[in-house]
Amino acid sequence: GNSVTQMEGPVTLSEEAFLTINCTYTATGYPSLFWYVQYPGEGLQLLLKATKADDKGSNKGFEATYRKETTSFHLEKGSVQVSDSAVYFCALSDGGSNYKLTFGKGTLLTVNP
Amino acid sequence: SAVISQKPSRDICQRGTSLTIQCQVDSQVTMMFWYRQQPGQSLTLIATANQGSEATYESGFVIDKFPISRPNLTFSTLTVSNMSPEDSSIYLCSVVGGGLAGYTDTQYFGPGTRLTVL
Repeated sequence: GNSVTQMEGPVTLSEEAFLTINCTYTATGYPSLFWYVQYPGEGLQLLLKATKADDKGSNKGFEATYRKETTSFHLEKGSVQVSDSAVYFCALSDGGSNYKLTFGKGTLLTVNP
Repeated sequence: SAVISQKPSRDICQRGTSLTIQCQVDSQVTMMFWYRQQPGQSLTLIATANQGSEATYESGFVIDKFPISRPNLTFSTLTVSNMSPEDSSIYLCSVVGGGLAGYTDTQYFGPGTRLTVL
């Protein structure tokens, strides 16, 4: 079956530091890949997505590239802000007609001033 | 993207009672889902809410405990029945597809319902 493995947290960074959160996946076929973010006390928001190999998703300074050869979708940001503190979830959809999402366990990011 | 609302946003309930959570979308969508997020955990899919027919449940979830309705393409309810403290979680609905934006495989989530069972 499908699975998503995310870098274990928590991750604590200083403001303006570089961020990488690793995500690898196992899936049959050609999944779509997503990063969702959950700010404290809120629901999930879509951060970015990529639907095929070598696609790069980007939003709010975050980027992730769909790497089929390494089955990875690592999240990066060049300079984090305190407001980026949240839980980040990597997820995949197997692209079939059921659209079910498989989530990683989530990575808590704390950015200190 | 669709605008999704959930009611209630939070509730505190007594053991043995039931709570019905509503999910309303501002446009017709192809699919609706219900997820559970236990404290400090990731999201687990409970079921796919099917319009006009019985929901499709994931392994470990049953209709008697989590009855779901979806009378039309913009609305669904999830009931958590005969609650115990282990049911304390955030319950989220999500939607895929439809709307003026056209076909998409991206899931958008409601704000969630935070349930505490005493």
